[in-house]
Amino acid sequence: GAVVSQHPSWVICKSGTSVKIECRSLDFQATTMFWYRQFPKQSLMLMATSNEGSKATYEQGVEKDKFLINHASLTLSTLTVTSAHPEDSSFYICSARRVVDYGYTFGSGTRLTVV
Amino acid sequence: KQEVTQIPAALSVPEGENLVLNCSFTDSAIYNLQWFRQDPGKGLTSLLLIQSSQREQTSGRLNASLDKSSGRSTLYIAASQPGDSATYLCAGLNAGGTSYGKLTFGQGTILTVHP
Repeated sequence: GAVVSQHPSWVICKSGTSVKIECRSLDFQATTMFWYRQFPKQSLMLMATSNEGSKATYEQGVEKDKFLINHASLTLSTLTVTSAHPEDSSFYICSARRVVDYGYTFGSGTRLTVV
Repeated sequence: KQEVTQIPAALSVPEGENLVLNCSFTDSAIYNLQWFRQDPGKGLTSLLLIQSSQREQTSGRLNASLDKSSGRSTLYIAASQPGDSATYLCAGLNAGGTSYGKLTFGQGTILTVHP
C-alpha cells in the first residue's frame, strides 16, 4: 500500500537554528503534499499545500518565511522551520494525496522541540 | 466553510463491545470521507475511505457508512479490543467552496477499551 516516510521522528534544536523535515512517498508519486501542525489534544491544522515544481500555498496566518516548503520531485517534500523559537515546538505531520482514489496517506510525524 | 463534528469526544468501553463513532459534516460537497486512527505521538493511519458515490466500506471488524444527504458518517467497530484504543478522526475531502481540495478534520473521538 501507499507509504509516506517522514524524518526525523523527533528533533531538539536550539532557539535561532533551522530544522528541516523530510516527507517522502515511497511507492507512489505525489504531485500534492500537505503539511499539518498538531497541538496537544487538538486536531490537525493545515499549514500549507505543496505542489511539485511550484510554490507552496500557505494557509492564512502561516508565515511563509518561517516555514519554507520545497517540493522538488514527485516523491519528496521538505519543510524547513527557520530561526526556530520555542513557540514553534509542535508535532508536524505531512501527507500525500493519492491520484488513484484521492485518499490521503500520512507520515509518522515529527516532534520538534526548540530549547 | 466546511465543519466536521465528531461525537462523542471520548468513549470508554469494556472489551468485546460493539461501538459506533459518529461524524457529521455541514457541506455535502465532498469527494470522499476518510476515517483515520492516531495513536499518541504518532501519525495518522488510514482505516477506511468512502468515495462520495459509495454508501459504506468494510475492513475486518470496521465498517464505515456515508450518507451525504444527511451529512453523516459512522464508524462501527465490532468486538472491540484493548488494541483499538486510540483517537479516531474523520475527514472530508472538500469538493467545493473555499476549502476546495482540502481535508477538513473533526476533533476526534478518544476511544479507550478496557480489558
